[in-house]
Amino acid sequence: DVKVTQSSRYLVKRTGEKVFLECVQDMDHENMFWYRQDPGLGLRLIYFSYDVKMKEKGDIPEGYSVSREKKERFSLILESASTNQTSMYLCASRNTGNTEAFFGQGTRLTVV
Amino acid sequence: DAKTTQPPSMDCAEGRAANLPCNHSTISGNEYVYWYRQIHSQGPQYIIHGLKNNETNEMASLIITEDRKSSTLILPHATLRDTAVYYCIVRVAGYGGSQGNLIFGKGTKLSVKP
Repeated sequence: DVKVTQSSRYLVKRTGEKVFLECVQDMDHENMFWYRQDPGLGLRLIYFSYDVKMKEKGDIPEGYSVSREKKERFSLILESASTNQTSMYLCASRNTGNTEAFFGQGTRLTVV
Repeated sequence: DAKTTQPPSMDCAEGRAANLPCNHSTISGNEYVYWYRQIHSQGPQYIIHGLKNNETNEMASLIITEDRKSSTLILPHATLRDTAVYYCIVRVAGYGGSQGNLIFGKGTKLSVKP
């Protein structure tokens, strides 16, 4: 089975902290994605990567950056966490072509 | 990617078929229809996808109209564990870059009742 593993299920951080959310997939997928999910707004794409060291902005990249140094790992970085970044963060991976995406279990981040 | 329209919520009796509609009237010829679901507090889970032919797998059936402007996901015998938000997504079969991203709408909250 494909596994997409997010490093933390729950995280509490203080305003202004630098936050790293890690995601690892074990199926050699080229494409990896970071979403956030908020009540009433659904899933929104933050960033995605289609290859090592490649990244593209999604719909809401402001306040976030990403890193993909190795194919299996895609990190989401909050340079200076703010309370409006309190959310559920979901990582996904997918192979190139017409294939399904696999999601991690999510990280519920609270910024206080 | 084309936008989709789904009803915000639906109820279904346990053991009955759940039919979830989706409108995608601006779908392009090279866009597939995907269905995912998200059970509370979990990540979304892939269910099924198709281009123009009807598809069936162990989880569900997908019926796409001939003009491809709408589709229906069918759960043949809904159980309480099928209570979830169901997302209909259309996307290009991409080969990297910005093509092929999943753009999630708000989905349909399906409640299966005993």
